[in-house]
Amino acid sequence: DIQMTQSPSSLSASVGDRVTITCRASQSISTYLNWYQQKPGEAPKLLIYAASTLQSGVPSRFSASGSGTDFTLTISSLQPEDFATYYCEQHYSPTRVTFGQGTKVEIK
Amino acid sequence: QVQLQESGPGLVKPSETLSLSCAVSGYSISSGYYWGWIRQPPGKGLEWIGSIYQGGNTYYNPSLKSRVTISVDTSRNQFSLRLSSVTAADTAVYYCSLFEMVTNAFGVWGQGTVVTVSS
Repeated sequence: DIQMTQSPSSLSASVGDRVTITCRASQSISTYLNWYQQKPGEAPKLLIYAASTLQSGVPSRFSASGSGTDFTLTISSLQPEDFATYYCEQHYSPTRVTFGQGTKVEIK
Repeated sequence: QVQLQESGPGLVKPSETLSLSCAVSGYSISSGYYWGWIRQPPGKGLEWIGSIYQGGNTYYNPSLKSRVTISVDTSRNQFSLRLSSVTAADTAVYYCSLFEMVTNAFGVWGQGTVVTVSS
């Protein structure tokens, strides 16, 4: 199975900060990588698909890049509503979907 | 707009079978697509359980494969999850989701349903 490793596991940041989360795959997955945001008590929400394409309705302060094994999600200016847990997900092999362990973004 | 709603018992006894359904509205499930189940144990991350493609092909997480069955009921416009021989480790929030071909991502999610395994 393809393993997805996110870092950091958690971070503390202030409103207005630039935040970067990384996701590394155990083997090349091209751009078969998605990012999700999950707030407490809610279902995950798709933010980014195909490694760098912003889902409709997602604010432009979110961006992402990468291909192969290394990927990043960036929030250019953290807003109060962005405090949440973020997950990467690979579907290079759609029969073996895997998620990263998550990165919790907390208020500093 | 596609909407999903999970349903099923909130409490299951150890060694028994967990059965959940996901009602689909806004789309005819018989038209195709790729439907999935994902779970989240308390305080932990997301775990893909498995998926079913149009045509009925199913794919399961290897760690759960021997216990999982996902099926589609076109007459009720829903799809279902069965997980046998459950233990406390299967306690989780269970989500059903639509894997959209346009984005190749789980773009639509149900609200989730809590399942506790306990005697």
